[in-house]
Amino acid sequence: SQQGEEDPQALSIQEGENATMNCSYKTSINNLQWYRQNSGRGLVHLILIRSNEREKHSGRLRVTLDTSKKSSSLLITASRAADTASYFCATDAAGGGNKLTFGTGTQLKVEL
Amino acid sequence: EPEVTQTPSHQVTQMGQEVILRCVPISNHLYFYWYRQILGQKVEFLVSFYNNEISEKSEIFDDQFSVERPDGSNFTLKIRSTKLEDSAMYFCASSPRAGGNQPQHFGDGTRLSIL
Repeated sequence: SQQGEEDPQALSIQEGENATMNCSYKTSINNLQWYRQNSGRGLVHLILIRSNEREKHSGRLRVTLDTSKKSSSLLITASRAADTASYFCATDAAGGGNKLTFGTGTQLKVEL
Repeated sequence: EPEVTQTPSHQVTQMGQEVILRCVPISNHLYFYWYRQILGQKVEFLVSFYNNEISEKSEIFDDQFSVERPDGSNFTLKIRSTKLEDSAMYFCASSPRAGGNQPQHFGDGTRLSIL
C-alpha cells in the first residue's frame, strides 16, 4: 500500500456522535498533519503533530500518533453537520524537504 | 484571516495549448507549493519553491511544467502543451518559514479541464 492510507474510506454518523478516522504511513516522518476538504474547496489545515508527540488536542479534535506502528488517528467529538467533509492525513517525511504526502482520505457524513 | 488566493477557479483549454495558473500566497510566507488532485485520487505534490528557486520537485513535474514568482506577490504554474491527463484540480499552498513542522495553507484550487 502507499504512504498515507486512511480508514475507513467513508463514515456516516449522527450529529452528536464521535467520529474516528485512522491513517497509516510507511516512512519515518518529521510530522503528521490532518486537513479537511469541503466539496469543491481547498484543503484546510486542522492540526499538526510532531514525531516526538503522542497526542494533541485542538477544540473538538484529538489526534494521536504512534510512530512505532506508523499510524495516527483523528477523533472529532460531538460531531456537527458542518463537520461533513473529506479528511486527509499528510506526512512530512524525515529528510524529505517540506513536501506533504497525502493519504486517500476519509469521507465523513454527519447527519441531523 | 489572510488566505491563499488562486485564479482562475476554472480553466478550460484545448489539448496542446499552454495554461498559466496563478496564485497569491500569504504575504509573509516564504515557502510556496503546487499540488494537484486528479478526480477521485490523492492530492499529489508537484513542486516546492523557496528563495526564488525550486527546492524540490516530483517526477510528475517534468519539462512540461515550470513555476515562476514574477513579482513580490504572484506565484505561477505554467503547463506547456497540455494533455488530457493534465485535467485535475491544482492547489497552491504556502507556509510561513523555512524548515519543517510548518502547516501549509492552501488555496481553493483551479479546476483545469483539457478538451
